[in-house]
Amino acid sequence: QVQLVESGGGVVQPGRSLSLSCAASGFSFSTYVMHWVRQAPGKGLEWVAAMWHDGSNKNYVGSVKGRFTISRDNSKNTLYLNMNSLRVEDTAVYYCAREEKGDYVLHYWGQGTLVTVSS
Amino acid sequence: DIVMTQSPDSLAVSLGERATINCRSSQNILYNSDNKNYLAWYQQKPGQPPKLLIYWASTRASGVPDRFSGSGSGTDFTLTISSLQAEDVAVYYCHQYYSTPRTFGQGTKVEIK
Repeated sequence: QVQLVESGGGVVQPGRSLSLSCAASGFSFSTYVMHWVRQAPGKGLEWVAAMWHDGSNKNYVGSVKGRFTISRDNSKNTLYLNMNSLRVEDTAVYYCAREEKGDYVLHYWGQGTLVTVSS
Repeated sequence: DIVMTQSPDSLAVSLGERATINCRSSQNILYNSDNKNYLAWYQQKPGQPPKLLIYWASTRASGVPDRFSGSGSGTDFTLTISSLQAEDVAVYYCHQYYSTPRTFGQGTKVEIK
């Protein structure tokens, strides 16, 4: 069955960096577009970034452009989110999600990993 | 960016009654070339990731009970729960995947009256 397991969250000071991972299993990871979506505590969902299956295209929400980098290692079935210059407002649960082929919808989501940016 | 606005922010419905959530997009999300509305609905319960309910505005995802239905086109959409069950207590989000950045509505909290 499809499984997405995020890791790497934790507490970090403003201005510092953190890297998240999403380990995928149960499907052919290298053929799917993958996304990161975040949710601040008690708030709604915010799409963060997406990456094509072959890495040829990446997209970001404006608030993280230039600070966050999405990447993937298809040989390890793993999606990454490298976060630099972190801000208090980046505090959130970060979910990875799989885009379904043909309908572009995020059907499968991981359980998320919490990132807390605080001094 | 396309702004998604849901109404109401919260609603309380009696068990077995109908719940209706509205979602409006700031731009048309009906793609002319395939005549599909790039609109999905998600359900989220506390401590859980979102669960896909509806996509293409009206197609139920696999395993979703038929009391959940979606309708609408262009810029105005509706999620209806025809007969509210206790397990439907959750926050519901509409989501456009028509353009990048993808955006979500602010959420509607559904409770039992």
